[in-house]
Amino acid sequence: DAGVTQSPTHLIKTRGQQVTLRCSPKSGHDTVSWYQQALGQRPQFIFQYYEEEERQRGNFPDRFSGHQFPNYSSELNVNALLLGDSALYLCASSFTGLGGYFGPGTRLTVL
Amino acid sequence: ELKVEQNPLFLSMQEGKNYTIYCNYSTTSDRLYWYRQDPGKSLESLFVLLSNGAVKQEGRLMASLDTKARLSTLHITAAVHDLSATYFCAVVLDLLNNDMRFGAGTRLTVKP
Repeated sequence: DAGVTQSPTHLIKTRGQQVTLRCSPKSGHDTVSWYQQALGQRPQFIFQYYEEEERQRGNFPDRFSGHQFPNYSSELNVNALLLGDSALYLCASSFTGLGGYFGPGTRLTVL
Repeated sequence: ELKVEQNPLFLSMQEGKNYTIYCNYSTTSDRLYWYRQDPGKSLESLFVLLSNGAVKQEGRLMASLDTKARLSTLHITAAVHDLSATYFCAVVLDLLNNDMRFGAGTRLTVKP
């Protein structure tokens, strides 16, 4: 069982650019949640995808968008990157409310 | 809005000592997770507590949940250096979708 996977591992972008991060949930899981964790801070909930739709959203601007595919994998897109978007982006998967397994994360650096 | 408070935020312990980390939350929830995070790494699931009075133990760590008091504890017994990490509690807002909100984390350092 592969567990939750994320790609890429690290990414460096410049302000104003756009980025796409990817997540594959644990086998058998159908729900993907995305979190942003700035250095030294707690993870902050961005949004959650279930049945290819955004089911819940945290307090993040519309520059943050996502998608879920029929195979339950998910993408997080961030447009018009700001320096403050530099963070570790974590994806968590679950099934019928149970799970909370996190992937290894993507470290995004915005210069 | 749900508030999740952990204390202490920083904890320096001697090896062999015991200590407890506290996680208080402001609204009703029947599910809570404890995670460990090493520097630069992702979150490692330690415990999921599913009901009032739940107690789980793994090695030197034991977690409990009191949903009436809205309190969870993570007890460390006879600390060793390998336990040095940041520990987060995460309270589930919505059981159906496992929507979690995190505490600020406790940075634990265990000294020889």
